[in-house]
Amino acid sequence: NAGVTQTPKFRVLKTGQSMTLLCAQDMNHEYMYWYRQDPGMGLRLIHYSVGEGTTAKGEVPDGYNVSRLKKQNFLLGLESAAPSQTSVYFCASRTIAGGSYNEQFFGPGTRLTVL
Amino acid sequence: AQKVTQAQTEISVVEKEDVTLDCVYETRDTTYYLFWYKQPPSGELVFLIRRNSFDEQNEISGRYSWNFQKSTSSFNFTITASQVVDSAVYFCALSGSQGGKLIFGQGTELSVKP
Repeated sequence: NAGVTQTPKFRVLKTGQSMTLLCAQDMNHEYMYWYRQDPGMGLRLIHYSVGEGTTAKGEVPDGYNVSRLKKQNFLLGLESAAPSQTSVYFCASRTIAGGSYNEQFFGPGTRLTVL
Repeated sequence: AQKVTQAQTEISVVEKEDVTLDCVYETRDTTYYLFWYKQPPSGELVFLIRRNSFDEQNEISGRYSWNFQKSTSSFNFTITASQVVDSAVYFCALSGSQGGKLIFGQGTELSVKP
């Protein structure tokens, strides 16, 4: 099993450009999450999904959109990138089997720089 | 609102020293879950432990141990006889009942010098 994978690993954008980050998991997990990590702030939740076709806002959703058309994929979109979106983005997934006790499995991260 | 505070931003120790990483949390949920993750210099996030709010037993795994005290809303992590490979950023996280969302602390960067 590959676990959670993220594409791309690195990306440099100019202000105003758009892009999509892809997250894929092969563990048949129901829940998926997108976080951003900034120095001194830990990880903050952007959006999450509790199942195929459903998404919800997290702590810092502004400037991002998401889609979960397939259970195994969770896409994060930036429509008009801004320098404030320079960050490391992590995708995570978890199963609901057994309840809310389960840990999240994280992807390797995507380092995004917006100039 | 839920909150996790890791007051220690950076800790530096010499190999073989014991070190404790502090984690204090706030939540109004009666059922919640606490986690520790390790982020080594390579950048990935590695799950270490989870604890639910009804289980206050301390846990030991090799050189790692965790002390959960509901009375002080703390979930501290101790590394005994630290090693250079323990150098990493350690995150404490809290999850309530809504969607399993994780609220992370700011992280503690541990540097273990030989």
